[in-house]
Amino acid sequence: DIAMTQSPDSLTVSLGERATINCKSSRSVLSSSNNKNYLTWYQQKPGQPPKVLIYWASTRESGVPDRFSGSGSGTDFTLAISSLQAEDVAVYYCQQYYDPPYTFGQGTKLEI
Amino acid sequence: QVQLQESGPGLVKPSETLSLTCTVAGGSISSHYWSWIRQPPGKGLEWIGYIYHNGRTNYNPSLKSRVAISLDTSKVQFSLKLSSVTAADTAVYYCARDATGLGGWFDPWGQGTLVTVSS
Repeated sequence: DIAMTQSPDSLTVSLGERATINCKSSRSVLSSSNNKNYLTWYQQKPGQPPKVLIYWASTRESGVPDRFSGSGSGTDFTLAISSLQAEDVAVYYCQQYYDPPYTFGQGTKLEI
Repeated sequence: QVQLQESGPGLVKPSETLSLTCTVAGGSISSHYWSWIRQPPGKGLEWIGYIYHNGRTNYNPSLKSRVAISLDTSKVQFSLKLSSVTAADTAVYYCARDATGLGGWFDPWGQGTLVTVSS
């Protein structure tokens, strides 16, 4: 199994400030056949299912504000929120879809 | 726009079998990968397994001996059975579809249903 480890477990950021969440996979999720990283980021608010923010490690889902960005390759990835808004309070998860069993990071709780 | 809805008992006794159904609205079940994912209260997400539209399945090895996922194309539903449940199986269970039809990230998701294992 590919283990996904996020850091930090929780994060407190002021409104308007930048938030950064890291995700590390136990082995590479970069495909040599298409040069794509099989990594996605979700946002989950209480009582709701996860919502896709980023896929292929850096492609923003339609309708997601451009303050959200994803970067990284291979085993190390980052989700950045450039200017934190109140509605960004949530738990954020990374997930690899390179190889079943598909695995998630443990989650990062973002607070203001 | 495809929408998914989970249904099934909210309470299951220890050692019994948990059975859930996901109904797909607004689309066909004859393509894509259809997954079950669970989340214990206050904890993270665990992928349980998927069924492909042709009936091929893939289960998480951690649950493989107890899991079965099936497809009913006529009812546009897919189902989860988890046997010999214990309190550790208490969780919100989500059904989800892969976004691309070729595997990948999960989108959309159902709203989730809480299943409690207790006598």
